[in-house]
Amino acid sequence: QITLKESGPTLVKPTQTLTLTCSFSGFSLTTNGVAVSWIRQSPGKALEWLALIYWDADKRYSPSLKSRLTITRDTSKNQVVLTMVNMDPEDTGTYFCARSRGASVGLYFHFYGMDVWGQGTTVTVS
Amino acid sequence: EIVLTQSPGTLSLSPGERATLSCRASQSVSSMYLAWYQQKPGQAPRLLIYGTSTRATGTPDRFSGSGSGTDFTLTISRLEPEDFAVYYCQQYGGSPLFTFGPGTKVDIK
Repeated sequence: QITLKESGPTLVKPTQTLTLTCSFSGFSLTTNGVAVSWIRQSPGKALEWLALIYWDADKRYSPSLKSRLTITRDTSKNQVVLTMVNMDPEDTGTYFCARSRGASVGLYFHFYGMDVWGQGTTVTVS
Repeated sequence: EIVLTQSPGTLSLSPGERATLSCRASQSVSSMYLAWYQQKPGQAPRLLIYGTSTRATGTPDRFSGSGSGTDFTLTISRLEPEDFAVYYCQQYGGSPLFTFGPGTKVDIK
């Protein structure tokens, strides 16, 4: 069974740094094509992708938040950590981690979606 | 930046009716990289369809996806009570790497 679970503080003050941990089981983040993303959702709003780390340790960030985000992984602990600096009340919301899979087929990389999500963790900035 | 627009914002239908949800991209999106998710209140999103039209494991066959280029559609052939939720389209591979649409809420008429 594949599971992901987010953990971290529920309340942070403005200007502080947020550190969230995604602990997962049932898959390896070193398997070709696998990635873990962080996505957030402000109350009553749509989903916003934040960052991703691939099986080969390559990282991608949302351009609008890149200066504030760092994503890392600990393959021995099966964890992915997201750090967001200089927190603002606008960053209040639910933060999800999710696994995605893909595969290189010929010249193309096929994306098979974010197929397993954590339950989310709520962060309030105040 | 690829922006996804979904319409309508809210779709009010009765169980048994057909639902047609639209997702329009500001730039062409490869059909390999368009996915749909369902989210119910208090829950994480659930992958329904990837690659425009491939149903994810466990997705009932009343859900179907179609489209190409900048116009994509999610169709629910006959709404079941558990289908009333918010649906998001998502693109992969553009800039930013992922974007989600604003969502379409399907509620009970």
